[in-house]
Amino acid sequence: AQSVTQLDSHVSVSEGTPVLLRCNYSSSYSPSLFWYVQHPNKGLQLLLKYTSAATLVKGINGFEAEFKKSETSFHLTKPSAHMSDAAEYFCVVSDPLNAGGTSYGKLTFGQGTILTVHP
Amino acid sequence: KAGVTQTPRYLIKTRGQQVTLSCSPISGHRSVSWYQQTPGQGLQFLFEYFSETQRNKGNFPGRFSGRQFSNSRSEMNVSTLELGDSALYLCASSPPTGPPGTGELFFGEGSRLTVL
Repeated sequence: AQSVTQLDSHVSVSEGTPVLLRCNYSSSYSPSLFWYVQHPNKGLQLLLKYTSAATLVKGINGFEAEFKKSETSFHLTKPSAHMSDAAEYFCVVSDPLNAGGTSYGKLTFGQGTILTVHP
Repeated sequence: KAGVTQTPRYLIKTRGQQVTLSCSPISGHRSVSWYQQTPGQGLQFLFEYFSETQRNKGNFPGRFSGRQFSNSRSEMNVSTLELGDSALYLCASSPPTGPPGTGELFFGEGSRLTVL
């Protein structure tokens, strides 16, 4: 079974400072990993995804994440926070089809990290 | 291209009633998934449909059901509502590209259900 642990429920940074949102995963297979963002009263938007290509993945709005298999981590970073980055961020794992066909449409979400950006 | 559209956006029901939520996927997307989001349990997978067939199902009771129509639009139904069913129900669609489990899901803004 797959699982995701987001190590911080809340992260607070000042505008212009770096952002680090931590995520560890567990999977019996070679997973696909995603980061999604959810702004208040909005749906989820994909920031970036890792699907066994380059381990350093660049996403939208200056975010990037590094897949580290040895540490089973997929931390999200951004060099300089902007006020518009304030939102809830979800680390997500998906097992491939060889997991017995149980991957259709199924993403396993972490509990989320609320990012607050102070002026 | 229009995004995933969910209706209604907000609704209030009482215990014991039933509710039907609708989802129109992005044009060309044939896979539709449903998720429940609550403060306590987070985001949990309900089920996934493709070409009118349910291909995958999460761990929810039989009161939760869904279907998909030939135009890929989907509905989910919750019968005999309980207080704990209060949640944001999110629908997501995905295009038919890449191996299952590797592609992006495109989410709608959700239907917020309150059960009194």
